[in-house]
Formats: sequence, C-alpha cells, structure tokens
Amino acid sequence: AQKVTQAQTEISVVEKEDVTLDCVYETRDTTYYLFWYKQPPSGELVFLIRRNSFDEQNEISGRYSWNFQKSTSSFNFTITASQVVDSAVYFCALSGVPTRQLTFGSGTQLTVLP
Amino acid sequence: DTAVSQTPKYLVTQMGNDKSIKCEQNLGHDTMYWYKQDSKKFLKIMFSYNNKELIINETVPNRFSPKSPDKAHLNLHINSLELGDSAVYFCASTPRQGNNSPLHFGNGTRLTVT
Repeated sequence: AQKVTQAQTEISVVEKEDVTLDCVYETRDTTYYLFWYKQPPSGELVFLIRRNSFDEQNEISGRYSWNFQKSTSSFNFTITASQVVDSAVYFCALSGVPTRQLTFGSGTQLTVLP
Repeated sequence: DTAVSQTPKYLVTQMGNDKSIKCEQNLGHDTMYWYKQDSKKFLKIMFSYNNKELIINETVPNRFSPKSPDKAHLNLHINSLELGDSAVYFCASTPRQGNNSPLHFGNGTRLTVT
C-alpha cells in the first residue's frame, strides 16, 4: 500500500521568508513517481513537478526547489522569498508502477502574510 | 482552450435527489478519473476509466455511477444524494494508463447537499 504524509497541516510565514513543505512517502514499488500540486484559493489543482524514483537530482525552478532523498523517503518542497501569491494548499502525491494510482497527502495550507 | 472542463461548477441540491456532473477533455487523453475532495481538503480517487473501460473503482457507494460514452467524456451520476456527499469533485485525465504523466485536473464541481 502507498502512503504519503504531510505532517505540516498549516504554515504561516511573512513575505520574503523561505519556507519548506515536508513530504514523506511509503511504497513497496521500486519504481514510482512523486508529484507536487498546488491548490490556490480559487480551487483548481495545478501541477508543479514530477520526479521518478531513479532521479534523485534536486530541481530548481525559479523560487521553487525540490529535495528528493530516497534514503529518507522524502520529497520536500522549498519556496524561496515567498510571496503572498504563494498562499495555497500544497499536495504531495505518489504514483507507483504498475498500479498508476495516485495517492495524495493530506496537504499543507501555506499562508504568506504581507 | 479549456483542457478539462466540468459542469456545473456549483451544484446545490436536496437529500434524496439524483444529479449528474459532466466532464470533457480535449487533450486526446485515453485515461480519465474522478476524485473527491472532502471538507478537510483530502483528495481521494473514486474511479478511473481507460478508453471507456473502468480500471479503478475504489470503495465508493453504489449510488455513484460513472459513465464514459467516449474517451473524451467521463460523467458522474449520483443517486439518492446524502449529506455526506457534499464535497468538491474533480475530473482529471492523463495520456494513457500507466505512464505516470501528471494529471490534468478540471476546475472542480462543488456539490452541496442540504
């Protein structure tokens, strides 16, 4: 069975602070994919990133960066110099092979205060 | 331009009624899904169809019946609505089953049962 844990239910930061959202996963699959999605207050779900289990390189995209550590089964997401528009619920998700069933974490509500 | 579109966006109805939510994708994807997001923001898969064939059917009451007239459409019909059915329902699609591409989500349908 797959499981994704986002222990941080809510985080508040002040604009320009850096913030890291934690994600820990469990799976028996040797090949799997990890995702992050963003859900802003408007409600839509926006894909941010996908990593496969064989690629442990960290990734940076603008102010966003992701740290994948297979040894600790973690896929953490850092926002540098946060902005008010980053306020959203962020979901970490896991998909195994061959199941291809996407399991979501419970989400982290990030509030960035001006 | 809309990739995955759901209608209606909001649905308010009384207990015991039957209602449908429609979903259409113009991405040429083979696989479509229904997810339910509860009041605590938890996202859980309900159904998955690949080329009009049901491939995932999670533990969902029989009152929920998906219908896929063609691979671009996956509608959700709910009979005898209950208060606990109140949630946001998301339709999603991916190119094909098993390739772990990111999900493309619709904007959600907020169902309120009174």
